[in-house]
Amino acid sequence: DTEVTQTPKHLVMGMTNKKSLKCEQHMGHRAMYWYKQKAKKPPELMFVYSYEKLSINESVPSRFSPECPNSSLLNLHLHALQPEDSALYLCASSQDKGAKNIQYFGAGTRLSVL
Amino acid sequence: GQNIDQPTEMTATEGAIVQINCTYQTSGFNGLFWYQQHAGEAPTFLSYNVLDGLEEKGRFSSFLSRSKGYSYLLLKELQMKDSASYLCAVGYNFNKFYFGSGTKLNVKP
Repeated sequence: DTEVTQTPKHLVMGMTNKKSLKCEQHMGHRAMYWYKQKAKKPPELMFVYSYEKLSINESVPSRFSPECPNSSLLNLHLHALQPEDSALYLCASSQDKGAKNIQYFGAGTRLSVL
Repeated sequence: GQNIDQPTEMTATEGAIVQINCTYQTSGFNGLFWYQQHAGEAPTFLSYNVLDGLEEKGRFSSFLSRSKGYSYLLLKELQMKDSASYLCAVGYNFNKFYFGSGTKLNVKP
């Protein structure tokens, strides 16, 4: 099983709203990732959690706040977003061991900010 | 980031073989991964290389030369369903992954 589950699949929010994206995996992976993907562009790394600790923040604006409650769950809290933040948000997980660190992706949350 | 370069678009005929190249910056390299992505869907893992040489996996093969910072994905016996974007992703310092811009492959009858 290489399934990463993301909810919701679609989200529409206003610039004053607070919302959260959720990601779950049960593969025993210890690294989890958030990516942002704009149309016809590659995924861009936002955050990496390794063993439930934030290890990489790619200079993401503070209106995006990640959280890793346990080794299976990853959240992305959204607050005061801008229309340019509209994108597909992808979650991924990997073993976080050695070089065979294959990432498996969820289906993504398509976010529209009005 | 990391100057990962791939051709923007390629066209090939059903049943043929196509090679998609990827070049990258070698400093801090840990591994190279190929993903397939259909429009509006998540990337799906295809193949990876850590050491030099060819890795074969059914109709898909991937090659790596670490000294040259070069990889390619080879797709054999092309099918219409192979029409998709192919992303080259490079792992640096274990958990930092950067993607190339992707190669859109059009398979024609």
